[in-house]
Amino acid sequence: GENVEQHPSTLSVQEGDSAVIKCTYSDSASNYFPWYKQELGKRPQLIIDIRSNVGEKKDQRIAVTLNKTAKHFSLHITETQPEDSAVYFCAARSYGNNRLAFGKGNQVVVIP
Amino acid sequence: GAVVSQHPSRVICKSGTSVKIECRSLDFQATTMFWYRQFPKQSLMLMATSNEGSKATYEQGVEKDKFLINHASLTLSTLTVTSAHPEDSSFYICSASSGTGAYEQYFGPGTRLTVT
Repeated sequence: GENVEQHPSTLSVQEGDSAVIKCTYSDSASNYFPWYKQELGKRPQLIIDIRSNVGEKKDQRIAVTLNKTAKHFSLHITETQPEDSAVYFCAARSYGNNRLAFGKGNQVVVIP
Repeated sequence: GAVVSQHPSRVICKSGTSVKIECRSLDFQATTMFWYRQFPKQSLMLMATSNEGSKATYEQGVEKDKFLINHASLTLSTLTVTSAHPEDSSFYICSASSGTGAYEQYFGPGTRLTVT
């Protein structure tokens, strides 16, 4: 099955700087890649996603890039703010399969 | 749109009892619902996938007789933890998708189960 690796496990950034989290996946047939943000004790919230027919997608301060050849995708957060502090999970879904394979999560800490 | 609710949010039960958790899609029809458990500071572990009107598909290592899943309608799925033990204590989260053609999964707020 699909295997998703997420790096780094923890990332600290100064407020206003950018944060980048990278994920790699194993199944070349995967065609959907969402990113979720989870604050402590709360539900994961879908913040952005990308499908395999697109290389980049942007929504205000958040962007996701996809490199199908290298089988990796990245989350970019610009102008970070303290409220961006959370755990971020990447996931991948294989074609013809409605299950998501999640990465282990990345703790992002934005230092005021 | 795409709101998923879960009830109860917290439950404490004694060892040996059963607990039922409900997951509802409030503003869309969820043909597929997923049940996850999450231990502190860990990722989401998929337990089972349920499609409305059919039996759930369990992940390897998940006991189907212990974690009973029912998806009787397009807006409701239930997870029953039978004969709960302290090691079943965890954060249980459901998610819902509107169909195999829809990619997005939306999560419920989770249920914190503590078995004493």
